[in-house]
Amino acid sequence: DAKTTQPTSMDCAEGRAANLPCNHSTISGNEYVYWYRQIHSQGPQYIIHGLKNNETNEMASLIITEDRKSSTLILPHATLRDTAVYYCIVRVRGGSNYKLTFGKGTLLTVNP
Amino acid sequence: NAGVTQTPKFRVLKTGQSMTLLCAQDMNHEYMYWYRQDPGMGLRLIHYSVGEGTTAKGEVPDGYNVSRLKKQNFLLGLESAAPSQTSVYFCASSRSTDTQYFGPGTRLTVL
Repeated sequence: DAKTTQPTSMDCAEGRAANLPCNHSTISGNEYVYWYRQIHSQGPQYIIHGLKNNETNEMASLIITEDRKSSTLILPHATLRDTAVYYCIVRVRGGSNYKLTFGKGTLLTVNP
Repeated sequence: NAGVTQTPKFRVLKTGQSMTLLCAQDMNHEYMYWYRQDPGMGLRLIHYSVGEGTTAKGEVPDGYNVSRLKKQNFLLGLESAAPSQTSVYFCASSRSTDTQYFGPGTRLTVL
């Protein structure tokens, strides 16, 4: 799986959009970008994933650059409950790739 | 739809004791996984299963055994607990090698 680089921490004001960047310059053509988050003491929670097109669901939007070397997770209206560590993971779907490799992630703190 | 559930939520063991952690999923997923999470180490895969009756070793399988007798359940056993097994254990499941969905975790302390 390709290596990812994320900022260690970020702050966001409640109600504002939170934009979390991720660099994955060595991503290969068959690797997807996944985002998970982990709220303190809870299990990791799946947020969204994509290959090359921008994706949106009820939780967030994922913007992937045209060269696929970086992406941004957008939480459109952050709330205090969105305070968590956010993990960007690049991995191949299918085959025998069973493992999810979590790096250190970005600690997002949403402030009132 | 409860998703992935884990039992128990907390447990304290003495060195040498045994215990079993239970993971259950109601999403009819074929694949199930056990991870452990330690401070500064991220999640590490212990064992996984690609279907009922199958199990396989992950990154850190030593000291653990697993069983998948029913599709919806994946059991993680510690035969002789050691302090190094103090950790938070997470179970996950997936339809294939796709999106994994995690349980709430079991916090285990071995004294």
